Amino acid sequence: ETGVTQTPRHLVMGMTNKKSLKCEQHLGHNAMYWYKQSAKKPLELMFVYSLEERVENNSVPSRFSPECPNSSHLFLHLHTLQPEDSALYLCASSQDRWITNEKLFFGSGTQLSVL
Amino acid sequence: TQLLEQSPQFLSIQEGENLTVYCNSSSVFSSLQWYRQEPGEGPVLLVTVVTGGEVKKLKRLTFQFGDARKDSSLHITAAQPGDTGLYLCAGGDGSSNTGKLIFGQGTTLQVKP
Repeated sequence: ETGVTQTPRHLVMGMTNKKSLKCEQHLGHNAMYWYKQSAKKPLELMFVYSLEERVENNSVPSRFSPECPNSSHLFLHLHTLQPEDSALYLCASSQDRWITNEKLFFGSGTQLSVL
Repeated sequence: TQLLEQSPQFLSIQEGENLTVYCNSSSVFSSLQWYRQEPGEGPVLLVTVVTGGEVKKLKRLTFQFGDARKDSSLHITAAQPGDTGLYLCAGGDGSSNTGKLIFGQGTTLQVKP
């Protein structure tokens, strides 16, 4: 399997649930990202990992907790989410941490609905 | 705060028509990327432009970076139903050591057969 794979594709959860999103990249890249995509809004960068170290956290609420155990895997742990957190969550990777002209490879995303 | 405004937000046309999507900002970007996202999938990079005034062609798609590197356009000639999707522009902020990729809100294109 090649590219960036995200699971699950769809997730429905209650506000008191705990769930995790998984991302795996098979491209040998050093940087991985979590983005949030809401309708009619620009993609919002949430977290950046470079060589397994978190290098950016864009003021994301603590109910979102990222984990990067190695350069190929990225998780987003979710707990006590709010309905406004419903969105498409996209994982991406790039050869190196994005500075300029890096090409981002995106997964297909997890469509999350919080009830 | 750097912002990228895309217009139009939604475009519905007939197969064979031409169209242009615009991506504008008051800020200067080091580079500009265009992505296309199909329903149920993640964005896929189409092109990167880095030089002011640069024009790149990808089959029926023509991309241009403004001379001042503040704006870009995507022109599609003879649109086909397979061009349907969400088109995203993204500007590279090379002004800091961290670097950032700023996305526009997207243009949804629907090409009817």
